[in-house]
This record gives sequence, C-alpha cells and structure tokens, in this order.
Amino acid sequence: ETGVTQSPTHLIKTRGQQVTLRCSSQSGHNTVSWYQQALGQGPQFIFQYYREEENGRGNFPPRFSGLQFPNYSSELNVNALELDDSALYLCASSLDPGQSNTEAFFGQGTRLTVV
Amino acid sequence: GDSVTQMEGPVTLSEEAFLTINCTYTATGYPSLFWYVQYPGEGLQLLLKATKADDKGSNKGFEATYRKETTSFHLEKGSVQVSDSAVYFCALSDPVGGSYIPTFGRGTSLIVHP
Repeated sequence: ETGVTQSPTHLIKTRGQQVTLRCSSQSGHNTVSWYQQALGQGPQFIFQYYREEENGRGNFPPRFSGLQFPNYSSELNVNALELDDSALYLCASSLDPGQSNTEAFFGQGTRLTVV
Repeated sequence: GDSVTQMEGPVTLSEEAFLTINCTYTATGYPSLFWYVQYPGEGLQLLLKATKADDKGSNKGFEATYRKETTSFHLEKGSVQVSDSAVYFCALSDPVGGSYIPTFGRGTSLIVHP
C-alpha cells in the first residue's frame, strides 16, 4: 500500500505551454522526490523536497521547478514545454532523506504528452 | 558519478523457468542497493533491498545478494509465474550532500508465457 497519489493521470499540452503536476505524499512522510521516466528508460531524478526546502537536484534546467507545502504535498512545474518533456512523471515520498536504506513509495505517475 | 547497468531486455521465459536479471553498479560511496518492479500502467514498487556487502534481500520468491567484490546485485527467482511479467529496475542509493538520492538502471522487461 503506497498511499502516494498523483494528479492528473494523463495530460496533453502544447509546446511552449506551462504545466503543474501534483503529488500527495504518504501519511507521515516529509520527503518528496520527483522523477522523469522517458519511454523505455529508468526514472531520472529531477529534485527532492524535505520539509518544504529543496534538498537536492538532478541535471534538469531551471524551467523545472517545484514546491512542497506544509502538509508535505508537492507540485512540479514545467515552463516552456518542449517535445522532449513528454514522459511519465513519478513522485515518490519517503521519511527523512538522510538514511541510506530509506524506502521510497511511488505514485502511479502522470503521463505528460507535449505536442 | 554513480551508475547502474542492467542487462538488456526483454527477457522472455516460460512459466516455472529460472530467472536471472543481471545488475552491476559503480558508486563513489558505500551504497544501498534496491530492486523495484513496475507493472503496466503503475508506478514503481520496492521489491527487495540490501544495505551492506553479502546481505541478501528477498521477497515474493525473488532474491538478490549484495556482492561488493564484483559490484553486482543480480535478481533471481527459481520459478517465475505469468504474474511476474513486469519491468524490473535495479537502483542504488548513495549519499549526495547528506541525502540519499536513488539512481536507477534503465530497466529490464520480463515476459512470462504460460
């Protein structure tokens, strides 16, 4: 039982537009990580939020930005969408990022298609 | 930087066959190792993990042993079922500025025929 929910499940946007994806973390989890999974690839780390502060960032441009709220839910915003942004976006919640064996619980993802 | 390499898929097996999916890694620190499974249309689920050398993670008949000397974490199952058909991801977790951010392999698709 993951308890992580993402919305929407599917989304179609036009190149140049902006998009906001949402994630509700599992109860009691204070850490949210976002990943981009292109077709046939493994998830690529975008960034992580811990107690409302960014706590690590992968190799993604600044037009990928995020936010975490006091209830630990989170948003991923992407500006100036490009065709290559089409992917499955996964959110994962966990408890305390400073543990090596911390388990991450994933949502079902948001499938973004940019046309 | 850290990386995970998995065998190319798809791996196609008949039901009750033996499964091995190879995974090797490179890491600057002393990582924890994970296998995640992704069923069609779903997010990733943790299958098993190991946090130190020679540890064996196991779950649902799947096993993997943390081999530091060969930097490997191969996934095995003695008898696969059709319901095991999914994509399997090997991952490592290594501290980056005090935070353990998982690095994933590209995934290996498993198809099990009746």
